[in-house]
Amino acid sequence: AQSVTQLGSHVSVSEGALVLLRCNYSSSVPPYLFWYVQYPNQGLQLLLKYTTGATLVKGINGFEAEFKKSETSFHLTKPSAHMSDAAEYFCAVSATGFQKLVFGTGTRLLVSP
Amino acid sequence: NAGVTQTPKFRILKIGQSMTLQCTQDMNHNYMYWYRQDPGMGLKLIYYSVGAGITDKGEVPNGYNVSRSTTEDFPLRLELAAPSQTSVYFCASTKGAGVTDTQYFGPGTRLTVL
Repeated sequence: AQSVTQLGSHVSVSEGALVLLRCNYSSSVPPYLFWYVQYPNQGLQLLLKYTTGATLVKGINGFEAEFKKSETSFHLTKPSAHMSDAAEYFCAVSATGFQKLVFGTGTRLLVSP
Repeated sequence: NAGVTQTPKFRILKIGQSMTLQCTQDMNHNYMYWYRQDPGMGLKLIYYSVGAGITDKGEVPNGYNVSRSTTEDFPLRLELAAPSQTSVYFCASTKGAGVTDTQYFGPGTRLTVL
């Protein structure tokens, strides 16, 4: 069975600093990987996804993630944090090629002025 | 274009009561999903539907029932509410089943069972 582990339930950065949110996955087959963002009192919104092809994936709002098979990782980064990036971020995996996703426990990003 | 809408936004139930959480999408999506999100946890799939008249269980279906009589609507029924069902419930939809499709989520229903 597949699973994802998100390291750090909370990450705090200053505005303008690098954002790094960590996600490691476990899957017996090549995985499909996703990052979702949840703003307060809203549903989840897709940031980016890796299915096949280029391992560096660019998403919305300046975020990107790199699929590293050797490290079983799919960490999310953004070069310069904005106050509007404060939200909860979820990593998810599908090992079946189907939309039955397995979500991580989430990382809350806090951005201070 | 409203996307995925859910009602109600909030609800408090007493143990043993029943209720239906409503979910409607106006994107003509074939696939619909119900998730629950417990504090500090990721989303867990309760039920999903691949089209009108077809539903299947997800990871945590116990205590819930669903139906899909139309493409637009996918209600979730709690028959005998229990405190363990206190959670935030999200409905989502996709056009197709593949990972190249994007799940669109509703804003959620916050349910408390006392």
